[in-house]
Amino acid sequence: DTGVSQNPRHKITKRGQNVTFRCDPISEHNRLYWYRQTLGQGPEFLTYFQNEAQLEKSRLLSDRFSAERPKGSFSTLEIQRTEQGDSAMYLCASSRTGSGANVLTFGAGSRLTVL
Amino acid sequence: EDQVTQSPEALRLQEGESSSLNCSYTVSGLRGLFWYRQDPGKGPEFLFTLYSAGEEKEKERLKATLTKKESFLHITAPKPEDSATYLCAVQAAGGGTSYGKLTFGQGTILTVHP
Repeated sequence: DTGVSQNPRHKITKRGQNVTFRCDPISEHNRLYWYRQTLGQGPEFLTYFQNEAQLEKSRLLSDRFSAERPKGSFSTLEIQRTEQGDSAMYLCASSRTGSGANVLTFGAGSRLTVL
Repeated sequence: EDQVTQSPEALRLQEGESSSLNCSYTVSGLRGLFWYRQDPGKGPEFLFTLYSAGEEKEKERLKATLTKKESFLHITAPKPEDSATYLCAVQAAGGGTSYGKLTFGQGTILTVHP
């Protein structure tokens, strides 16, 4: 068990470019979550998958954001036409079902800087 | 709307100087209250889950308590390695899709000086 893995760890891009982040959850966890964290704030919920189904999306997730989890394994978060306000740490977390379902294991995050 | 407010925003302690962090919350039915620790450049690391008023949990120098409106994280005789940001989060009761949808506070930055 290597924990939740996120790539890339850092991404610097120019405004208007598209970026994609990848998350590999703990292998036996079938729930996967994306959160966003800005400096000095706690994480904010973006979206949630159970297996390959995206079950909930926050209104924070504008039309420029899309998340997928093909085959219920890894997940990608794509941001199109990035804006400076998208600069943040994007955190992925996973959890199991049943006992311990509400305990999230977070990855180290992918930090996005939009110039 | 669920809300979590943590205080103080930052806390500086001398090694061995015990103190408490506060987490006040409003939620439409509490399923669980969580404490996480976050080191710089890393993701949050799970510490405790509390489910009902009166519940207490301990881990090494940390003890978390819960009332109907707030939670405290007590730190006894802290060491420099306890320096981190401590995050409080609530999970609202509701449908099954709410698992893992946490509302976080802004965190308390704890610095313990040797």
